[in-house]
Amino acid sequence: DTAVSQTPKYLVTQMGNDKSIKCEQNLGHDTMYWYKQDSKKFLKIMFSYNNKELIINETVPNRFSPKSPDKAHLNLHINSLELGDSAVYFCASSLLDRAGGYTFGSGTRLTVV
Amino acid sequence: AQSVTQLDSHVSVSEGTPVLLRCNYSSSYSPSLFWYVQHPNKGLQLLLKYTSAATLVKGINGFEAEFKKSETSFHLTKPSAHMSDAAEYFCVVSDTGNQFYFGTGTSLTVIP
Repeated sequence: DTAVSQTPKYLVTQMGNDKSIKCEQNLGHDTMYWYKQDSKKFLKIMFSYNNKELIINETVPNRFSPKSPDKAHLNLHINSLELGDSAVYFCASSLLDRAGGYTFGSGTRLTVV
Repeated sequence: AQSVTQLDSHVSVSEGTPVLLRCNYSSSYSPSLFWYVQHPNKGLQLLLKYTSAATLVKGINGFEAEFKKSETSFHLTKPSAHMSDAAEYFCVVSDTGNQFYFGTGTSLTVIP
């Protein structure tokens, strides 16, 4: 029944490693997002895809590469992880129509040591 | 340009007393406005949304918010706080595009 599911829930890794976070939604939404929540709880958009096409790409290091194989999936791959990448990453989905709001996943807590 | 200001980073109330979480926005368009709640180590849950219908919006768990265009505000209220309401609350504004702007959050503490 999970509407937006992201895996893993927790991820602890060493600096310099490459890791991926997966996200899937079963709501029939056509737009998906990645947000980064820092230690002060502020959420900042990273990427947005509509029907597999990138529509928002905020100022994010190119070590972060989103991939959308279809409109129900948006994965986030991170190369050469750094300490500052430690955060909670939220996947979300919506319809392109602004009235629907987001549905969020439960977050992935990434810790880089 | 759109932006959201949550006027209080922390709010403490006693159990059973009213809750008021303040939010002001700026938008070039007729915005959609939302309140989300995040409990510790949980994802974001939609409490309520305003999308140009009735200005007083009722949400889940007894929360409601009133859209006041003249004051560019969308404050969240609840008549009586429960311990389970302790969480982080985010006000969000969306324009005619596909962008959602989050406030920096208000942490609600409920004192027994």
